Amino acid sequence: AQRVTQPEKLLSVFKGAPVELKCNYSYSGSPELFWYVQYSRQRLQLLLRHISRESIKGFTADLNKGETSFHLKKPFAQEEDSAMYYCALGATGNQFYFGTGTSLTVIP
Amino acid sequence: ETGVTQTPRHLVMGMTNKKSLKCEQHLGHNAMYWYKQSAKKPLELMFVYNFKEQTENNSVPSRFSPECPNSSHLFLHLHTLQPEDSALYLCASSQDRGTGELFFGEGSRLTVL
Repeated sequence: AQRVTQPEKLLSVFKGAPVELKCNYSYSGSPELFWYVQYSRQRLQLLLRHISRESIKGFTADLNKGETSFHLKKPFAQEEDSAMYYCALGATGNQFYFGTGTSLTVIP
Repeated sequence: ETGVTQTPRHLVMGMTNKKSLKCEQHLGHNAMYWYKQSAKKPLELMFVYNFKEQTENNSVPSRFSPECPNSSHLFLHLHTLQPEDSALYLCASSQDRGTGELFFGEGSRLTVL
């Protein structure tokens, strides 16, 4: 069965500090991994996907198949990064499975 | 109007009522989804429709009945719900064989009394 685990429900960092949001997955096939973000009073939206290997708003995430991880990282956190972050796994048949989410608070 | 629109935004119903949630997307996508978001739980995938055909029913109780009359509209019919069904129901759409990006609506907050 597919599963996405985000071990941290809450994460607080100071502005300018590095931040890492953890995500582990289990999937028997070739995974497609995503990070979604939900800012206060906004809808859930895509932040980045592993296949594009891009950096969005300073965030990056590397797929580590050996450790089955897809951690989200940013070297210098900003106050506007405070939000709810969800890791998601794309499976065959257009099925997407989400973790429980991590609430990030950046302290000024 | 563009994007994914859900109505109603809030719904309160009794356990014997019949109600429906509606989702509409103006993005030209051909895959649509219902997710359930409860406190302290991951987003639960309920149903997936590709080209109006249901391709996934994630062990959802029959008191939830989806309907997809065309690629732009998706309904979730509700009947004899339980209080534990109270949650935020999110609709999303994506382009089949596209980049895999889901576009979400703002959700319908359901309270079952």
